[in-house]
Amino acid sequence: DGGITQSPKYLFRKEGQNVTLSCEQNLNHDAMYWYRQDPGQGLRLIYYSQIVNDFQKGDIAEGYSVSREKKESFPLTVTSAQKNPTAFYLCASSRMGGTGETQYFGPGTRLLVL
Amino acid sequence: GQQVMQIPQYQHVQEGEDFTTYCNSSTTLSNIQWYKQRPGGHPVFLIQLVKSGEVKKQKRLTFQFGEAKKNSSLHITATQTTDVGTYFCAGAGGSYIPTFGRGTSLIVHP
Repeated sequence: DGGITQSPKYLFRKEGQNVTLSCEQNLNHDAMYWYRQDPGQGLRLIYYSQIVNDFQKGDIAEGYSVSREKKESFPLTVTSAQKNPTAFYLCASSRMGGTGETQYFGPGTRLLVL
Repeated sequence: GQQVMQIPQYQHVQEGEDFTTYCNSSTTLSNIQWYKQRPGGHPVFLIQLVKSGEVKKQKRLTFQFGEAKKNSSLHITATQTTDVGTYFCAGAGGSYIPTFGRGTSLIVHP
């Protein structure tokens, strides 16, 4: 069954703590993306990767880091430098980079700061 | 940078009424995509428009791309409770990554 999985579904972070959100896809897609969704804000791009071992900052990359060591995996780390991390985080993938490619989204991770 | 504005932010309708959401870009787009996100869910791709003036239909949904390729609309005829959710447009211009609008949340009252 092909698709994108994200874990965990809910994540609680203490002040000053780094947390890592998992994103895995078995669609054999080259490109992967991380978005942050806040109420009324739509989807804002954090990072994206067009190919293994390469990634680019999006519009709101500060306080976040990523890696792309494998084609199927694109984990996102929310660092302590991110002062307002409470949000819904969505991972997506597309067949390849470039305009016109459909993005397939995972179920998301809700992060809450305690 | 590229900006994509979407209105209205919310729309309440009675079941059976029509619904329209509008998307406007500050720059000319190469294509525009529409996604639907059900409450508590994730965005799901609906359609992509590429050509100037293009109109596509999916059952009760009609999608339009403006002649200048800077605006788009989604119209739903005779809404049903299953149409509830947030509808996003995502426009791709000179940059590689589409820019998402803020979305329009549709609330259908039975």
